[in-house]
Amino acid sequence: GDSVTQMEGPVTLSEEAFLTINCTYTATGYPSLFWYVQYPGEGLQLLLKATKADDKGSNKGFEATYRKETTSFHLEKGSVQVSDSAVYFCALKVTGSYQLTFGKGTKLSVIP
Amino acid sequence: DADVTQTPRNRITKTGKRIMLECSQTKGHDRMYWYRQDPGLGLRLIYYSFDVKDINKGEISDGYSVSRQAQAKFSLSLESAIPNQTALYFCAIEPQLTGELFFGEGSRLTVL
Repeated sequence: GDSVTQMEGPVTLSEEAFLTINCTYTATGYPSLFWYVQYPGEGLQLLLKATKADDKGSNKGFEATYRKETTSFHLEKGSVQVSDSAVYFCALKVTGSYQLTFGKGTKLSVIP
Repeated sequence: DADVTQTPRNRITKTGKRIMLECSQTKGHDRMYWYRQDPGLGLRLIYYSFDVKDINKGEISDGYSVSRQAQAKFSLSLESAIPNQTALYFCAIEPQLTGELFFGEGSRLTVL
């Protein structure tokens, strides 16, 4: 079946540090890939997505590139802020499927 | 107004009680979902509906039921709550079958 594996947290960084959250996947078909973010006390919201190999999704300074050869979609940001403190979920959806498969989430804390 | 509204936001109940969590949307989308979030487990799909007459089980539907009363309303029921149903529950809508979900703010349920 389909699955997503994310690096375990929690991750604690100082403000302006570089962020990488690793995500790898296995899929039964051709997937679209997503990063969702959950700020404290809120629901999840879509951060970025990529629908085909070598696509780069980007939003709010975050980036992730769809790497088919390594089945990865790592999330990166060059300089994190305290306001980026949240839980980040990697997810995939195979074309034609109803199911959005989530990773377990990675909690990020950014300290001043 | 929020696109997706969940009520109640917090609920404490006792084992054996019947509980209903309600979800309503203002966007007119056909696809609606109920997810459960547990620490360290990510999000797991309970039920989903693609229109008023279409109800489908997700990966963890045992112990739950749903009702799609109208296009805008999708309710989740626990007929006889048990402690391991203590979790954060999210309703989500999807404009098209793209994986781009819009989530409510969640309903935190505690079963004593």
